[in-house]
Amino acid sequence: GIQVEQSPPDLILQEGANSTLRCNFSDSVNNLQWFHQNPWGQLINLFYIPSGTKQNGRLSATTVATERYSLLYISSSQTTDSGVYFCISGTYKYIFGTGTRLKVLA
Amino acid sequence: EPEVTQTPSHQVTQMGQEVILRCVPISNHLYFYWYRQILGQKVEFLVSFYNNEISEKSEIFDDQFSVERPDGSNFTLKIRSTKLEDSAMYFCASSGKRSNQPQHFGDGTRLSIL
Repeated sequence: GIQVEQSPPDLILQEGANSTLRCNFSDSVNNLQWFHQNPWGQLINLFYIPSGTKQNGRLSATTVATERYSLLYISSSQTTDSGVYFCISGTYKYIFGTGTRLKVLA
Repeated sequence: EPEVTQTPSHQVTQMGQEVILRCVPISNHLYFYWYRQILGQKVEFLVSFYNNEISEKSEIFDDQFSVERPDGSNFTLKIRSTKLEDSAMYFCASSGKRSNQPQHFGDGTRLSIL
């Protein structure tokens, strides 16, 4: 079945820094989403991005489906960005990535 | 904005008991999903459901698990005889009229098996 790997597994940033999170998936898929799991455990939808580039405020994402990876960019990070970032991919059966645990220090 | 709602937020059950977790998907969505997350681990797919039948299920979704859409609004996950290792956060999600649309997640039900 499809494998989804994320890097880095852990990331510590100073407030205001930029970062890039990566999601690699092993097979061609119709769906790719990025989520932020906040400290209360809620899964917040960031982007649905099976291909192309999208931006939403300080966040942007790019998926290159032909090369089977997606990138999430966080600019000018804030302490509220802390949490775990997951990508999820699949069709009918979905696989979550291993996650990137981000901590932003004030 | 419409959202997926899950009840209860926390369920405590004795081992061996049956438990039903409830979800109300977004009203015009046709695809429904259950996932679980054991504390500190990644989210795992359990099952997808469309047109009143299971589309896909994972190895975790064995005979102890079942899903049902008993009416036009609810989507339930039943665990027949709970085990300690079923303790986890269970998330429900739904997506629109085609399989290639974003999933919207509920806030989860924390299941604690004693």
